Amino acid sequence: TAGITQAPTSQILAAGRSMTLRCTQDMRHNAMYWYRQDLGLGLRLIHYSNTAGTTGKGEVPDGYSVSRANTDDFPLTLASAVPSQTSVYFCASSDDDTDTQYFGPGTRLTVL
Amino acid sequence: GQNIDQPTEMTATEGAIVQINCTYQTSGFNGLFWYQQHAGEAPTFLSYNVLDGLEEKGRFSSFLSRSKGYSYLLLKELQMKDSASYLCAVRDSNYQLIWGAGTKLIIKP
Repeated sequence: TAGITQAPTSQILAAGRSMTLRCTQDMRHNAMYWYRQDLGLGLRLIHYSNTAGTTGKGEVPDGYSVSRANTDDFPLTLASAVPSQTSVYFCASSDDDTDTQYFGPGTRLTVL
Repeated sequence: GQNIDQPTEMTATEGAIVQINCTYQTSGFNGLFWYQQHAGEAPTFLSYNVLDGLEEKGRFSSFLSRSKGYSYLLLKELQMKDSASYLCAVRDSNYQLIWGAGTKLIIKP
């Protein structure tokens, strides 16, 4: 079982460009999440989805959008990247019974 | 506002015991999680507490006091592979996880 996969592993992006970070899970979890992790700060929730077809805003949603067309995929899009979006991005899904979150390996994004 | 406090960094010796504390102030409480995160890797689940008391799982134990807004993670018989960051997270009244910044644990031989 792969669990959660993310792509790309890392990326350097010019400011003003758009980019989509991909996330796929094979655990059939209903809820999925996107976090960013910056040095000295806790994980901060960007967007979440409680089930396919629905999405919600987290703590730091500005500059990001998500979609949830099906259970498995939860892509995160940066429409016009800015240097402050340089971070490590983690996708997660949670077990329906225990609510425990399981994380993908992360995408390290640098915006120049 | 909502707040999770953990020490930034701790150092311990291989074979010893270490206690990592976490205090929280959140809008509601629906459980507390501890995660381990090795450098450059994703967080992985360690433990979950929703009732007061101690939960033991092998070398790791986690304690919760809801009245004090306090938890700790106890690691026994420390091994070099335990060098990692330990993240405390509280699920609030909206069932969202609020994360602490993590405690970097350094194990010395």
